[in-house]
Amino acid sequence: ETGVTQTPRHLVMGMTNKKSLKCEQHLGHNAMYWYKQSAKKPLELMFVYNFKEQTENNSVPSRFSPECPNSSHLFLHLHTLQPEDSALYLCASSQAEQINTGELFFGEGSRLTVL
Amino acid sequence: AQSVTQLDSQVPVFEEAPVELRCNYSSSVSVYLFWYVQYPNQGLQLLLKYLSGSTLVKGINGFEAEFNKSQTSFHLRKPSVHISDTAEYFCAVSEGSNDYKLSFGAGTTVTVRA
Repeated sequence: ETGVTQTPRHLVMGMTNKKSLKCEQHLGHNAMYWYKQSAKKPLELMFVYNFKEQTENNSVPSRFSPECPNSSHLFLHLHTLQPEDSALYLCASSQAEQINTGELFFGEGSRLTVL
Repeated sequence: AQSVTQLDSQVPVFEEAPVELRCNYSSSVSVYLFWYVQYPNQGLQLLLKYLSGSTLVKGINGFEAEFNKSQTSFHLRKPSVHISDTAEYFCAVSEGSNDYKLSFGAGTTVTVRA
């Protein structure tokens, strides 16, 4: 069992659909992150949660809505997305005290295609 | 704002040959430096990190990197690559002036051929 699990691994949705990405970490960490990975571009930090509290929202459009019910689970709710939102969405976790040292543990990602 | 430049987008290399991946960053303050690797269809995995101390850092799978403050570089090297080293490699930097948020480079794709 991997430390950070993301579901689904692949998702195709229309622009009017509502869907959610799920992330679960089994490492006992208390900080969780959403990143967007587009081809040949640097990873873009979207959201950070530290002890279930959102501590970072990197100017992400409101069509992306995160939810962190506890330190082990993180969701990304999607609605009325645009084709340019197609990307690999990566979840990561870390110990809160390592939030400043960049030692993150990543899931395998959810490949999103918006038609 | 800090930025990370990975000078090579793609690096083809033959098996058992050495490889160097170049990374430069823009920052005038103390930084933490990282290399992450992403194997096909997987998430990113920490390869090695520089936080302080010796400028030569050794990581997993025989990789090492050297921090050069005067040249603001953190190049990654491996003396002899294997087919299994085929992956995308990301350089990342965090610094205090940016609340220690990680800034990633665009990645270097390494393809190892027999």
